[in-house]
Amino acid sequence: EVQLVESGGGLVKPGGSLRLSCAASGFTFSNAWMSWVRQAPGKGLEWVGRIKSKTDGGTTDYAAPVKGRFTISRDDSKNTLYLQMNSLKTEDTGVYYCWNFVGGYWGQGTLVTVSS
Amino acid sequence: QLVVTQSPSASASLGASVKLTCTLSSGHSSYAIAWHQQQPQKGPRYLMKLNSDASHSKGDGIPDRFSGSSSGAERYLTISSLQSEDEADYYCQTWDTGIVVFGGGTKLTVL
Repeated sequence: EVQLVESGGGLVKPGGSLRLSCAASGFTFSNAWMSWVRQAPGKGLEWVGRIKSKTDGGTTDYAAPVKGRFTISRDDSKNTLYLQMNSLKTEDTGVYYCWNFVGGYWGQGTLVTVSS
Repeated sequence: QLVVTQSPSASASLGASVKLTCTLSSGHSSYAIAWHQQQPQKGPRYLMKLNSDASHSKGDGIPDRFSGSSSGAERYLTISSLQSEDEADYYCQTWDTGIVVFGGGTKLTVL
């Protein structure tokens, strides 16, 4: 059974940092291109960014609102995806989902609240 | 600029059928899309990938009541024999090199 389990969410002040993790199981994580998608309260889905598999170069792409502030990385030895979020803003508040498009796999999400 | 547009809301009666529309921006009519369902207070669920030729591949466990079709820049999701659990937000999504784009979602109400 495929599982994507996010963790690391919480309350952080504007300007602060947070690191999210996504533990993957049930599929070959090292071959997967992985993304983060977020959802602000009462709003739609917004793609945050993606990391390719190492065999495909391991490169990253980011949505404009987070470029330069967020960093996606992966540890294939731990089957884990990360999202390092720096210089957080109130508009970064929302549920953050781990997502593998090709397999159609979504995590259950972790809530990030940026507030003073 | 790659954009997908959805109507904000739709409604249909229990047991009936409904067709949701996703429209690709000008110059992108050949692009494939994917449909995702999000039931209230739950995470998203992948439904299917839909190509411009209307061929589609559904996610694991997605009932036959869910089908996709295409016409030009429009991509459709048809849900037949509507059930109460089909009341949800439905998102279309597409992609290009280095970017993924979600539509604003359609809130489906089952009457």
